[in-house]
Order: sequence, then structure tokens, then C-alpha cells
Amino acid sequence: NAGVTQTPKFQVLKTGQSMTLQCAQDMNHEYMSWYRQDPGMGLRLIHYSVGAGITDQGEVPNGYNVSRSTTEDFPLRLLSAAPSQTSVYFCASSPGTSGVTNTGELFFGEGSRLTVL
Amino acid sequence: AQSVAQPEDQVNVAEGNPLTVKCTYSVSGNPYLFWYVQYPNRGLQFLLKYITGDNLVKGSYGFEAEFNKSQTSFHLKKPSALVSDSALYFCAVRQPYSGAGSYQLTFGKGTKLSVIP
Repeated sequence: NAGVTQTPKFQVLKTGQSMTLQCAQDMNHEYMSWYRQDPGMGLRLIHYSVGAGITDQGEVPNGYNVSRSTTEDFPLRLLSAAPSQTSVYFCASSPGTSGVTNTGELFFGEGSRLTVL
Repeated sequence: AQSVAQPEDQVNVAEGNPLTVKCTYSVSGNPYLFWYVQYPNRGLQFLLKYITGDNLVKGSYGFEAEFNKSQTSFHLKKPSALVSDSALYFCAVRQPYSGAGSYQLTFGKGTKLSVIP
């Protein structure tokens, strides 16, 4: 059981380039999310999804796009990278989406470290 | 808006001594509270949660946390610290389920725990 898999683990971009961070989970979780982690700022929610075809914005969505075409995959797209997007990105998933089944216990990937020059 | 405060950036404790990592929160309604741990270059791992019931919750690796509604606190504790407990600890909160948009888990900025041999 692989859990939550993120690729790539490391990436260096130049300002203005685009890229996609991949996230896949094999636990049949309905809820998936992307966070960014910056020193001294904890984790901040970028986007989340409560099921295939459904996405919504979190706290810091600007500059990022997401889509959820399958239950398993939740890619994060940077359309035009900026130095302010240098960060460590975490994908996380959780079973269920109702208040009964989703109590907030998240399963995290190992992270993707992105540097934008 | 919900928020979490972890007042200490770093906590140092001698091996074998009890440890406490502090967390206070602000949320509308009864909170769902969580502690996560992050080891270097890894994703976050779930430690424990409080949803309802007994104010003292027990979690993984011998950790426990006490929910105090009047003080809006959820401090993480362990009776006897191990060197292997050295890591970054995050407190998180979410509001009770109220439909789409209430899934957001808000994290504190993290507390670095160092257990000294």
C-alpha cells in the first residue's frame, strides 16, 4: 500500500515556467488537498477536492490550478512560476467527505521541494 | 475565521523528562483538534485527535493531549521524552462539519522539539 505519492521530489524552475506537481493516492480517499509549507508559517491550504470533478480554493490559491478527473489523482499546476512560489508542497488525503466520515485525519505525501529562480 | 497559535518556536527537554508542547486555538463552535509530527524531509504524520468525549486523548508513540475548553487549549504531552521524539510538531484545528468549505484544517506554525540525551 503506497499511500500518497508525490512526484517530483525536487524541482528547479525559472521564473515564468510552468509545471505540474503530481499527487496520487491508492486508498480510495474522497478528500484530497494541497498545502505549501514555508518556514515560520506552518502549512497553508492551496486547493482541495471533495471528489472527482469537484475542487475548491483554500487559503492561498493564487497562481495555482487543480483538477480532479479521477478519485486517485489530484495534480497541482503552476502556470507561470514566481520566486514567491518557492516552497515545499504537500499533498494530503482523507477518507470520506461528510462530517461523520471526515474528521480531519490527513494522510500526507513525502513532499515536493520547488525552487523558482 | 479559525486559527491556531503555538507560542513556542522551540522546546528543549532532557531525555527522560516530561514534555509539553503548547497549542491554543480559535474556532466557531466545538473544535476538531489534531496534532501532527514531521520528521526531517518527511511528510506530516497524524499523532492524535480530539473530536468529542474525554478531554484527555491518547495517541501514537506514547503522546497524549488535553483539551481545555475554557482556556481554548490543546497541549501535547508525554511523560518521558525520548531522543527519537525530536521533530517538528504541528497543532491543527477545524470547525465542525457544516457542508462544503468546512473541511479546511488550519495549522499552527509548528514547534521544534529537541530532546537532549
